[in-house]
Amino acid sequence: NAGVTQTPKFRVLKTGQSMTLLCAQDMNHEYMYWYRQDPGMGLRLIHYSVGEGTTAKGEVPDGYNVSRLKKQNFLLGLESAAPSQTSVYFCASRGASPDQYFGPGTRLLVL
Amino acid sequence: AQSVTQLGSHVSVSEGALVLLRCNYSSSVPPYLFWYVQYPNQGLQLLLKYTSAATLVKGINGFEAEFKKSETSFHLTKPSAHMSDAAEYFCAAGGGSNYKLTFGKGTLLTVNP
Repeated sequence: NAGVTQTPKFRVLKTGQSMTLLCAQDMNHEYMYWYRQDPGMGLRLIHYSVGEGTTAKGEVPDGYNVSRLKKQNFLLGLESAAPSQTSVYFCASRGASPDQYFGPGTRLLVL
Repeated sequence: AQSVTQLGSHVSVSEGALVLLRCNYSSSVPPYLFWYVQYPNQGLQLLLKYTSAATLVKGINGFEAEFKKSETSFHLTKPSAHMSDAAEYFCAAGGGSNYKLTFGKGTLLTVNP
């Protein structure tokens, strides 16, 4: 099992550009999450999903959109990137147990 | 709303010394509690979790944590630090039907030779 994978690993964007981050899990988990990690801020929840076809806002959803068309995939979109979105993005998933499994992260730099 | 406080953003210990990383949570109902570790340029890895069974929880790499309801604490300890323990540690809380975890801001552990 690959667990949770994220694509791409690193990306540089110019302000105003758009991009999609892909998260995939092969554990048949119902719940999936997108976090951002910034120095001294810990992890903050952007959006999450409690099942295929569902999404919900987390703590810092502004400027991001998500989709969960397939159970194994959770996409995070930035429609118009801003320098404030420079961060490390982590995807996580969980099943019946409350612990979450994390991907390796995507480093995003917005110039 | 739940909150998780980690006391000390940076803890430095000598190799072989006791490691103590502090975590307090605020919740009227004892939640599930977790400690995650993050090595440089990697994702978060679960160290241990409390799910209302034994109050003393043992995890990987010799770490353990004790749930103290009266103190709303879940401090992480390891009797003897190793150089490979140098990493950032995050405490997190979630509970019941709440699918979400609330994370502390993290504690960076440095181990000196």
